[in-house]
Amino acid sequence: AIQLTQSPSSLSASVGDRVTITCRASQGISSALAWYQQKPGKAPKLLIYDASSLESGVPSRFSGSGSGTDFTLTISSLQPEDFATYYCQQFNSYPQITFGQGTRLEIK
Amino acid sequence: EVQLVESGGGLVQPGRSLRLSCAASGFTFDDYAMHWVRQAPGKGLEWVSGISWNSGSIGYADSVKGRFTISRDNAKNSLYLQMNSLRAEDTALYYCAKGSMIAVAYFDYWGQGTLVTVSS
Repeated sequence: AIQLTQSPSSLSASVGDRVTITCRASQGISSALAWYQQKPGKAPKLLIYDASSLESGVPSRFSGSGSGTDFTLTISSLQPEDFATYYCQQFNSYPQITFGQGTRLEIK
Repeated sequence: EVQLVESGGGLVQPGRSLRLSCAASGFTFDDYAMHWVRQAPGKGLEWVSGISWNSGSIGYADSVKGRFTISRDNAKNSLYLQMNSLRAEDTALYYCAKGSMIAVAYFDYWGQGTLVTVSS
């Protein structure tokens, strides 16, 4: 099964900072990657699909890039509502779908 | 407005069975793949199972293969997960998630989840 490894596992940052989270796949997955945001006690929310396409309604400060095995999620200027846990997810090997272990973004 | 409402969770003993349901509204249910994703307490997300719009394609995580069965009733706009031979490690919040128009395995809407606790 394809494994996804996110780094860092946790991150402290301040409002206004630029933040980058990395997701590495154990084998090539083309661009079949999504990013989700999850706040405590809430369901995940789709942010990015196809590695770099912004889901409708998601602020433009979120962006994604990469293909093959290395992917990044960037938040250009952190807002208070962005402090959450972020997950990458691949489906290149569908019907086997995997998530990364998550990156917790905390307020510094 | 898209709504996904899960039900059927609860406390169950190891080895027993439970059936989860997800009632969908606000979209044309039989146009989309549907999935179950779970999250153990304090842990990350784990995809459990997915089913295509016409039930012609079904997949399971290795951790539940042979024990769980996904199904759907398009006439009732409902998704189900039959869980047999439950184990302590199946304890989790189970989310129902809708496959997106872009790809069957991007999850663009999620329910609030139903909690399954497996314990004696």
